[in-house]
Amino acid sequence: AQKVTQAQTEISVVEKEDVTLDCVYETRDTTYYLFWYKQPPSGELVFLIRRNSFDEQNEISGRYSWNFQKSTSSFNFTITASQVVDSAVYFCALIPRSNDYKLSFGAGTTVTVRA
Amino acid sequence: DGGITQSPKYLFRKEGQNVTLSCEQNLNHDAMYWYRQDPGQGLRLIYYSQIVNDFQKGDIAEGYSVSREKKESFPLTVTSAQKNPTAFYLCASSMPSGSSYEQYFGPGTRLTVT
Repeated sequence: AQKVTQAQTEISVVEKEDVTLDCVYETRDTTYYLFWYKQPPSGELVFLIRRNSFDEQNEISGRYSWNFQKSTSSFNFTITASQVVDSAVYFCALIPRSNDYKLSFGAGTTVTVRA
Repeated sequence: DGGITQSPKYLFRKEGQNVTLSCEQNLNHDAMYWYRQDPGQGLRLIYYSQIVNDFQKGDIAEGYSVSREKKESFPLTVTSAQKNPTAFYLCASSMPSGSSYEQYFGPGTRLTVT
């Protein structure tokens, strides 16, 4: 069985502040895939990033960056210089290689960026 | 444009009625999924289908039914047996292969049953 924990329920920041979202996962598989999704107020989930368990390189995409650490089973997400458009619910998710149809989601972190 | 469509965006039904939610994709993905989202919660898997004419129960299948007669379509029926049907329903598709396992989501249908 696998589990994804997002301990932060809500985060509120002022525009231009950085915000880091925590994600801790559990799985018995040695090969697995981690994801972050964004859910804006419209409701549709938008895929942000996939990370394979055998690739621990951190990644940066514009103002977004991800820190993957297998040693602590964490896959944290940082938004740099936040903007009001970043306000959304962010979900961390995991798929184990042994069942690549079973996407397990964390409960989500609601980010509110105030102007 | 390739993507997933769900209709309608908002759906209202009376208790005791079955209702069918539509999901269509033109991404040529083999796998399709239905999730339920309740306020302040993550997504829970209802059903998924790996190929046409085959589907499996997810974590919360009771009170729901699906069919997969075409690759592009995966309709979900919320039956009167579902005790708490009011929720946001999301359809997704994927093509698990190689290193590509991400699921792509439709815009969702918000179902209200009174």
